[in-house]
Amino acid sequence: DAGVIQSPRHEVTEMGQEVTLRCKPISGHNSLFWYRQTMMRGLELLIYFNNNVPIDDSGMPEDRFSAKMPNASFSTLKIQPSEPRDSAVYFCASSPSDPEEQFFGPGTRLTVL
Amino acid sequence: DQQVKQNSPSLSVQEGRISILNCDYTNSMFDYFLWYKKYPAEGPTFLISISSIKDKNEDGRFTVFLNKSAKHLSLHIVPSQPGDSAVYFCAASVWSGGSNYKLTFGKGTLLTVNP
Repeated sequence: DAGVIQSPRHEVTEMGQEVTLRCKPISGHNSLFWYRQTMMRGLELLIYFNNNVPIDDSGMPEDRFSAKMPNASFSTLKIQPSEPRDSAVYFCASSPSDPEEQFFGPGTRLTVL
Repeated sequence: DQQVKQNSPSLSVQEGRISILNCDYTNSMFDYFLWYKKYPAEGPTFLISISSIKDKNEDGRFTVFLNKSAKHLSLHIVPSQPGDSAVYFCAASVWSGGSNYKLTFGKGTLLTVNP
């Protein structure tokens, strides 16, 4: 298996633009997670999906952030409009029925100018 | 409020010696603990875990120790190898509750193993 796939790997955009990050989880995994990593706050859970349904979005910073999982093999995290403070590395992770062992993708490094 | 703390941002050890990475937590509800390793430009990868019913778990060169009364856990790597050089994250969850998916991570410790 190729592991969790994220695209793009790097994104540089200007403040106010819409940004869409993509994730393909490992086939057969029921759970999908979006994390954000910053120097100040470390690695934080943004949202958790189970069987394509959002279960916990309490970590989503504000309404500018939204996430979808239209099917078991694809998820998006959208920021609209983007702001410089959104600059971070965004990780997608998936897990099988045992939620503790999460498998992370390589991350998307987002820079908002 | 940081519930999982890794107070050492970095650690440097000599190849062949023991590496000890420490982690403290404040939430007494945490009952499952994990260590992840992260190389540059890659995502974290699961390394080893321990349930609160145990005080030690071993996997090859890696051993995790849990001291519940002190709310402290540590990861021992023996012997350390240059390929172990990475950032190590401690994470915790409430396994017995309904939110066992929710991992709370420390900020990580950069381990450098010198040849």
